[in-house]
Amino acid sequence: GESVGLHLPTLSVQEGDNSIINCAYSNSASDYFIWYKQESGKGPQFIIDIRSNMDKRQGQRVTVLLNKTVKHLSLQIAATQPGDSAVYFCAENMNSGYSTLTFGKGTMLLVSP
Amino acid sequence: GAVVSQHPSWVICKSGTSVKIECRSLDFQATTMFWYRQFPKQSLMLMATSNEGSKATYEQGVEKDKFLINHASLTLSTLTVTSAHPEDSSFYICSAKNPRALAEAFFGQGTRLTVV
Repeated sequence: GESVGLHLPTLSVQEGDNSIINCAYSNSASDYFIWYKQESGKGPQFIIDIRSNMDKRQGQRVTVLLNKTVKHLSLQIAATQPGDSAVYFCAENMNSGYSTLTFGKGTMLLVSP
Repeated sequence: GAVVSQHPSWVICKSGTSVKIECRSLDFQATTMFWYRQFPKQSLMLMATSNEGSKATYEQGVEKDKFLINHASLTLSTLTVTSAHPEDSSFYICSAKNPRALAEAFFGQGTRLTVV
């Protein structure tokens, strides 16, 4: 099975910058991917999802890109705000979502004013 | 969106005692709920899948007698940490899937357990 890693990487940006958070997944059978935001002391909050038949999906200020060739997922946050500071996790799923989620190691985003 | 409520949000207990954590789906019926454990600055590790009306499915390395899971109704799953020890101190998070919303999993607020 896929392993989740330890040691949280950190991305520091200035308010107003665009942020890009990356995630590599290892299971080529995964067909559904979700990005979650987790603020300190809280549970993960859904941000955006994408299915494997797509390579890009846009939401409000967020865009998810999926590159199945290299098994890479990214989350782009436009005009990053201090309230975006949190840990971001990608999660993958199989069987169109009917299997259990497997979480990536997460990235801490720090936004300074 | 769907709401999953977890209670308590934090608990401190003495070593050797047991602690029960509740996870409720407030506006949908969840036949399946999930329990995760998270250490500081680390990812969520799936502990077990809670199935309504049947035994939970535990991940490899998770002691089922230590972490008792009960899913007696379609809206409630409980995790009981039995004979807690300081090494059980962690952040425990539950999630539930709305059968009508397919893949999206909704998470509770988490429970910070500190065993002293």
